[in-house]
Amino acid sequence: GEDVEQSLFLSVREGDSSVINCTYTDSSSTYLYWYKQEPGAGLQLLTYIFSNMDMKQDQRLTVLLNKKDKHLSLRIADTQTGDSAIYFCAESGKDGGSQGNLIFGKGTKLSVKP
Amino acid sequence: GAVVSQHPSWVICKSGTSVKIECRSLDFQATTMFWYRQFPKQSLMLMATSNEGSKATYEQGVEKDKFLINHASLTLSTLTVTSAHPEDSSFYICSARAGQLTGELFFGEGSRLTVL
Repeated sequence: GEDVEQSLFLSVREGDSSVINCTYTDSSSTYLYWYKQEPGAGLQLLTYIFSNMDMKQDQRLTVLLNKKDKHLSLRIADTQTGDSAIYFCAESGKDGGSQGNLIFGKGTKLSVKP
Repeated sequence: GAVVSQHPSWVICKSGTSVKIECRSLDFQATTMFWYRQFPKQSLMLMATSNEGSKATYEQGVEKDKFLINHASLTLSTLTVTSAHPEDSSFYICSARAGQLTGELFFGEGSRLTVL
């Protein structure tokens, strides 16, 4: 079946790098996503990676994809207190997510300590 | 990026009443919108796909008579929780697709429903 796994908590100090890991099961997923959810808010699309890519960098964010191991990671460089939030990994599944049925992990709560 | 807005942000209602939640795409047209439900410390679960001008498509296990969806225009979808009960208390989030990239979804801020 389809399943996305993430660790539930991560705590880092301000200025350090954060690495949030995710494993997924559907090897046919076309896109893999990272969303950020701040308290009481909806989801904000942070970045995504196409399945034929190994890495994508966008300012402080670096996404690494190991398709063989079905492992996705999000690295946040120079983590700030404003980065404290829940980060959701999601895969698009067989239909590329065209039906909106992205499969989400349970989210990793990132706490950044000053 | 594209903006999706939900209203209300939070609502408290009595058991047995109905509650309507609106989802608007503010700067783009969305023929398709999606409604999700999120329980505390859980991931999002897709409830239904809202199609402009036609009936919504519900995911397995979601009661269509309980969660009425209306997508009357290209910028507005509504979710009505009918005869709400405490177990319907949850965080409801909508999303809409913008741009050419398949799967590029933008989410609303979410609406927290508490049923007393």
